[in-house]
Amino acid sequence: GQQVMQIPQYQHVQEGEDFTTYCNSSTTLSNIQWYKQRPGGHPVFLIQLVKSGEVKKQKRLTFQFGEAKKNSSLHITATQTTDVGTYFCAGPRYMEYGNKLVFGSGTILRVKS
Amino acid sequence: DSGVTQTPKHLITATGQRVTLRCSPRSGDLSVYWYQQSLDQGLQFLIQYYNGEERAKGNILERFSAQQFPDLHSELNLSSLELGDSALYFCASSVGNGELFFGEGSRLTVL
Repeated sequence: GQQVMQIPQYQHVQEGEDFTTYCNSSTTLSNIQWYKQRPGGHPVFLIQLVKSGEVKKQKRLTFQFGEAKKNSSLHITATQTTDVGTYFCAGPRYMEYGNKLVFGSGTILRVKS
Repeated sequence: DSGVTQTPKHLITATGQRVTLRCSPRSGDLSVYWYQQSLDQGLQFLIQYYNGEERAKGNILERFSAQQFPDLHSELNLSSLELGDSALYFCASSVGNGELFFGEGSRLTVL
């Protein structure tokens, strides 16, 4: 079945350093979504990418969707302590009557101040 | 506040017991999804309902069942509980195939 892999599993950075997490799907995706889960919290939607090669920015966050629509990345410039949490990518898997969003394993980001 | 309400927030029970987790989706959202999050695993899809009908199923155990009622709230029933069922159970809702809005989750501890 469709798998969504994320690397790295864990990253600990110094405040101010950059951070990148990568997402790879075994199949072509119609779109990819990114979520952030703060420690003790619930996943919160960040963004959805739809087009091949699409790049979107949200302040210090840059999201990219690969040309083949099988991979994606999230880059955070100059991390802050508020960036701490787990970042998940997710891709839809369409089934006969519905769909499920398949989540990657997540990248845990810790920021040292 | 995502607008998705889950109850209870915490639940402690014993092996062999049965529990029901409840979810009220955002107003207007017809789709409800259930996910399980264990400590060493990510978000595992369990099941999706759309306007009262089951639409997609993940690796949901036979001991687990769910339903969505006419008022669109959903319940996840977990029976014959085992220690390994201890996890965070999230409900999420969406309008269609777009972003998911997650509730705060129900933390189940099986002793």
